[in-house]
Amino acid sequence: KQEVTQIPAALSVPEGENLVLNCSFTDSAIYNLQWFRQDPGKGLTSLLLIQSSQREQTSGRLNASLDKSSGRSTLYIAASQPGDSATYLCAVIWAGNMLTFGGGTRLMVKP
Amino acid sequence: NAGVTQTPKFQVLKTGQSMTLQCAQDMNHNSMYWYRQDPGMGLRLIYYSASEGTTDKGEVPNGYNVSRLNKREFSLRLESAAPSQTSVYFCASSELLAGVEQFFGPGTRLTVL
Repeated sequence: KQEVTQIPAALSVPEGENLVLNCSFTDSAIYNLQWFRQDPGKGLTSLLLIQSSQREQTSGRLNASLDKSSGRSTLYIAASQPGDSATYLCAVIWAGNMLTFGGGTRLMVKP
Repeated sequence: NAGVTQTPKFQVLKTGQSMTLQCAQDMNHNSMYWYRQDPGMGLRLIYYSASEGTTDKGEVPNGYNVSRLNKREFSLRLESAAPSQTSVYFCASSELLAGVEQFFGPGTRLTVL
């Protein structure tokens, strides 16, 4: 069974800091890994999708890396802004597009 | 292009009542999914439909039924609601079943009293 863990569960940083969110998974036989953002009371917005053959993906101030052999992914956010405050979820896609989610990291960026 | 839409946004039921949650996507995706999100449990897959005419159980299917009405629509039915089904329900879709990006709807907040 695939298990996905996100550390830390919550993070508070001052505006402008660079930060790293961590995601680990137990079964390395994944198709890909997807990072989402969820605002309070809202749905999930897809941020980045990394294919299993890729090592990283970039979108604006976001950079996600993937190390399948060690079962880890990181989401790097550069120059954080108060508008980045949200819960960030990682999910691995494996075994016929079964999507297993981590518990999320709740990020607060203070002005 | 609305993406994935869900109705209703909020619902309160009494134990034993039934209801259907509706989901539609306009991206011509083949695969659709229903998830529930609970505090401390994350999102868990209830049912999915790889393509029109097929449905399969996910991680937590008990107490639910689904119908893939056509390529656009995928509904989730609670035949006899229980307080344990109080949750936020998300519908999602993807172009294919295997290893591609999933797109999520805004969710339905369901409370069962």
